[in-house]
Amino acid sequence: AQTVTQSQPEMSVQEAETVTLSCTYDTSENNYYLFWYKQPPSRQMILVIRQEAYKQQNATENRFSVNFQKAAKSFSLKISDSQLGDTAMYFCAFTAAAGNKLTFGGGTRVLVKP
Amino acid sequence: DAGVTQSPTHLIKTRGQHVTLRCSPISGHKSVSWYQQVLGQGPQFIFQYYEKEERGRGNFPDRFSARQFPNYSSELNVNALLLGDSALYLCASSLVIGGNTEAFFGQGTRLTVV
Repeated sequence: AQTVTQSQPEMSVQEAETVTLSCTYDTSENNYYLFWYKQPPSRQMILVIRQEAYKQQNATENRFSVNFQKAAKSFSLKISDSQLGDTAMYFCAFTAAAGNKLTFGGGTRVLVKP
Repeated sequence: DAGVTQSPTHLIKTRGQHVTLRCSPISGHKSVSWYQQVLGQGPQFIFQYYEKEERGRGNFPDRFSARQFPNYSSELNVNALLLGDSALYLCASSLVIGGNTEAFFGQGTRLTVV
């Protein structure tokens, strides 16, 4: 069974600053995908960024980037130039390559302050 | 294009009652998954359906059941409701199953059991 752990319940950051969210996971799978999802107060889960485990290069999507350390089973998210609209819950998630059942972490609440 | 739609958005039920939640996937998507998100926690996988067949089931009691219809819409049924079933129920659709396929989430149904 896979587990995903987010150790930071809440993070706050000043607008335009950078914040990094931590995520660790445990799996015996060799081929898998990792995700960061954003859940604003509207409740809808929105995919922020995705990383394939077989790719060495860290994924980047505009102001969002990841630091994927496969040996350490670590997958952190960096939000650069934080904006007020980034305020939300952020969930780290895992899925094996063969299926798309998502295993989520407990979430980190990010508050961007003006 | 319409995204994943769920109905109803909110409902209140009494312990012991039965509830049916509905999900319409994005047009062309053949896979639907259901998740339960208890307040303050990450979503937990309940079911996955693909081409009208159950392809995965999470660690939930038999009171939970689901099905997928020929038009790929889906229902989640919960019998003999307990207070602990109070949660946000999320539906996600994807084109096919597989970790490299993005899952798109609806806005959820907020179920309150009193």
